Parts: sequence; structure tokens; C-alpha cells
Amino acid sequence: QQQVKQSPQSLIVQKGGISIINCAYENTAFDYFPWYQQFPGKGPALLIAIRPDVSEKKEGRFTISFNKSAKQFSLHIMDSQPGDSATYFCAFTPVEGGSQGNLIFGKGTKLSVKP
Amino acid sequence: NAGVTQTPKFQVLKTGQSMTLQCAQDMNHNSMYWYRQDPGMGLRLIYYSASEGTTDKGEVPNGYNVSRLNKREFSLRLESAAPSQTSVYFCASSEGGSFDYGYTFGSGTRLTVV
Repeated sequence: QQQVKQSPQSLIVQKGGISIINCAYENTAFDYFPWYQQFPGKGPALLIAIRPDVSEKKEGRFTISFNKSAKQFSLHIMDSQPGDSATYFCAFTPVEGGSQGNLIFGKGTKLSVKP
Repeated sequence: NAGVTQTPKFQVLKTGQSMTLQCAQDMNHNSMYWYRQDPGMGLRLIYYSASEGTTDKGEVPNGYNVSRLNKREFSLRLESAAPSQTSVYFCASSEGGSFDYGYTFGSGTRLTVV
């Protein structure tokens, strides 16, 4: 069964610090790696995604980097704020049963940003 | 614009009972999905429908059935509920065939089987 290994499981960061979450996969049908953000009691929402042929994407304080040879990708949150406290999920497209849009999610990282 | 609407929001079932979780989207998306979320397990794909008229199994399909009623609606049925099916269930939809927009999730159904 295809999986993506996400770490750490939980993360505590001081306000203004950098939060880093990592994901590793075995094989993927497409080099498309989205990150989803989930607040308590809500459904996940797309935060940022990196598309094929791009090794890094930055949107405001959020950056995804992708290392194809290592089969790893990561989310960096710069100048972390208490409002960033949420659970973050990485995702990838599995080879088996994969189609554009069929995603397998990591187990999530619970981020707490202390004021 | 409602997005993805799930009903009910909460449900308690007794072991062996059946129920259907409803999901509807108003974004004219082609693809729809059912996930379950359990503590420490993340989001696991139960079934998906790449387009109207098709459904496929995901990671954890046992004990569930689905129906893609039309382009808007995708229901999930538990024929004989078990305590192991206690979870939060999320429906999602996407354009499919595109990396541009990602998934839109509903707000979830919290199901408890006793």
C-alpha cells in the first residue's frame, strides 16, 4: 500500500520562528505535491502546492521545496504566527490507481505556535 | 456558494445499523471522494469517483459502499455499522485532471458507532 511518511507528528514553535514539516514518498504518478491545512472542527483546505517541473514554490510565508532524487518534499513556514496553529497534511498521487487528482495523505503534523 | 455540503454533521449508530452519508457539491466538479479521519492516522481514502458514472476503491473500502447519484452527489453507505467505523468522514470534490485547484472538502460528519 503506497504511503507518504510525514514528520514530525507534532511541532511546537515560538512566534516568529520557522516551522518545518517533511514528507517522503516511494513512488508517485505525478510530481504534484500539495499541502493542506486543517483547523479544529473544519475540513482540510488547500494551502499551497508544487507542480511538476518546479523544485520550489513560495507563497507569502509558506514555501514548498522538492528534492526529486531524495523523494522528499517539505513545507517551511517563516515567521510563524499563532494563527498558523493547525494540523498540516502533505499529499501525493499514488502510482496504483493514480489519476490527476487522486491523492493519498500523510498522517498529519499538529503545529502549535506559542505567542 | 456553498461548496461541498455534508449531511448529517453528527450521528450515533448502534452496531449493525445502516446509514447513508450524503454529500453534494455545487462547483460542477467532475471528481468526488470520501475520506475518513482517525487520530494519528491522517486522512484515508475510502472510495472515489473520477467522473459521473464511475467509482473506485481507495485505501480502506471494506464495510462501505458508494453511489455517484449524479454529477453533484456522492453518497457513502454503511450497511452494517461496526465500532471500528467510528470516525470523522470527509467528502471532497475536485476538477480532476487538473493540478490547479486542489480538493474542496466538506465540514465533515462525526460518526460514533456504539
